[in-house]
Amino acid sequence: QKEVEQDPGPLSVPEGAIVSLNCTYSNSAFQYFMWYRQYSRKGPELLMYTYSSGNKEDGRFTAQVDKSSKYISLFIRDSQPSDSATYLCAMIFYNQGGKLIFGQGTELSVKP
Amino acid sequence: NAGVMQNPRHLVRRRGQEARLRCSPMKGHSHVYWYRQLPEEGLKFMVYLQKENIIDESGMPKERFSAEFPKEGPSILRIQQVVRGDSAAYFCASSPQAQRNQPQHFGDGTRLSIL
Repeated sequence: QKEVEQDPGPLSVPEGAIVSLNCTYSNSAFQYFMWYRQYSRKGPELLMYTYSSGNKEDGRFTAQVDKSSKYISLFIRDSQPSDSATYLCAMIFYNQGGKLIFGQGTELSVKP
Repeated sequence: NAGVMQNPRHLVRRRGQEARLRCSPMKGHSHVYWYRQLPEEGLKFMVYLQKENIIDESGMPKERFSAEFPKEGPSILRIQQVVRGDSAAYFCASSPQAQRNQPQHFGDGTRLSIL
């Protein structure tokens, strides 16, 4: 079993839709959670960074963490064609500074 | 652009040659991380370095791979005697201090192709 599970998709939605991206994890020692966006042929770009359970909002993006269920989500409101990319969840142990564990990534396509 | 700089962006090597990948962290960052992304797979951690020290190399293959981050100059990921399976995108990230409160920022990677 992988430490972090993420549906690779692809996920295709119409412009303006609400997108929900999810990851589950198996180790409760994960303490910090991140979402990265990766465009083709580019490096991952940090979107959201959260620690505690609950919601964190930044513009059209909302990150949600449920530590009791070992489940994290990223919601994108009013999706745009420019949101078409691969979205990667990542997490880190509290006392193991440096080593990010990534999900496989979900490929998202937003159609005009 | 004061971001993480990686070069070259593309590198082609024949089997048996050496590959050297360079990473200059963001200004003010003293922690460097290397990750590998194979086709259809997510990013996999390879090594974590501070200036002149390897902190965690648990993701590095035991043979042919080495990394350094000297006092002066960029971090180098070195692959000796490359094989076809080394073809991948190699990403470098940096942070100003150990991860707990500071997220990692990534470069655009070096795409290594082995002929």
